[in-house]
Amino acid sequence: AQSVTQLGSHVSVSEGALVLLRCNYSSSVPPYLFWYVQYPNQGLQLLLKYTSAATLVKGINGFEAEFKKSETSFHLTKPSAHMSDAAEYFCAVSEFYNQGGKLIFGQGTELSVKP
Amino acid sequence: DTGVSQDPRHKITKRGQNVTFRCDPISEHNRLYWYRQTLGQGPEFLTYFQNEAQLEKSRLLSDRFSAERPKGSFSTLEIQRTEQGDSAMYLCASRSSWGSNEKLFFGSGTQLSVL
Repeated sequence: AQSVTQLGSHVSVSEGALVLLRCNYSSSVPPYLFWYVQYPNQGLQLLLKYTSAATLVKGINGFEAEFKKSETSFHLTKPSAHMSDAAEYFCAVSEFYNQGGKLIFGQGTELSVKP
Repeated sequence: DTGVSQDPRHKITKRGQNVTFRCDPISEHNRLYWYRQTLGQGPEFLTYFQNEAQLEKSRLLSDRFSAERPKGSFSTLEIQRTEQGDSAMYLCASRSSWGSNEKLFFGSGTQLSVL
């Protein structure tokens, strides 16, 4: 069975500092991996996705993530945090490309950005 | 697109009552998903439709839960004899099954509180 583990339910950084949100997955077949962001009172928005092309994936708002098969990881990074990045971030895995579309989500990491 | 709409945004009910939520997906999307999200957790898959056909149901979906998508457009999720454990955010998402775009578009959710 597929699963996703996000290390750290809450991460706090200073404005301008590096953002690193950790995600490890478990899958018996090559996974497709996603990061979603959820702002208060809004729906989840896709930040980026890995679908077996380049292992370094660039997303919106300056975020990127690197797929590392040997570490079963898909950590999300941003070089310089902005106040507007404060939100809840979810890592998700899907087993088959374009089949079902069902995503398995991690428990989420709340990012706080201090001025 | 006008986005995924969910109604109502908030629902407060007494234990034992029935509730129904509505989701209007993006018009050209033929796949529609329901997820449940509790505080501090990631969304959990409940069920999905392709057009009017319900193709998969999670074990989380007890027999008190029923979902329909009668004409392949909007969908309803009904919970009968609500319990306090049903209190959660119910999320709807949609996507097209055509082409290579597997991005899910989420609505803002319906927050259910069972007293």
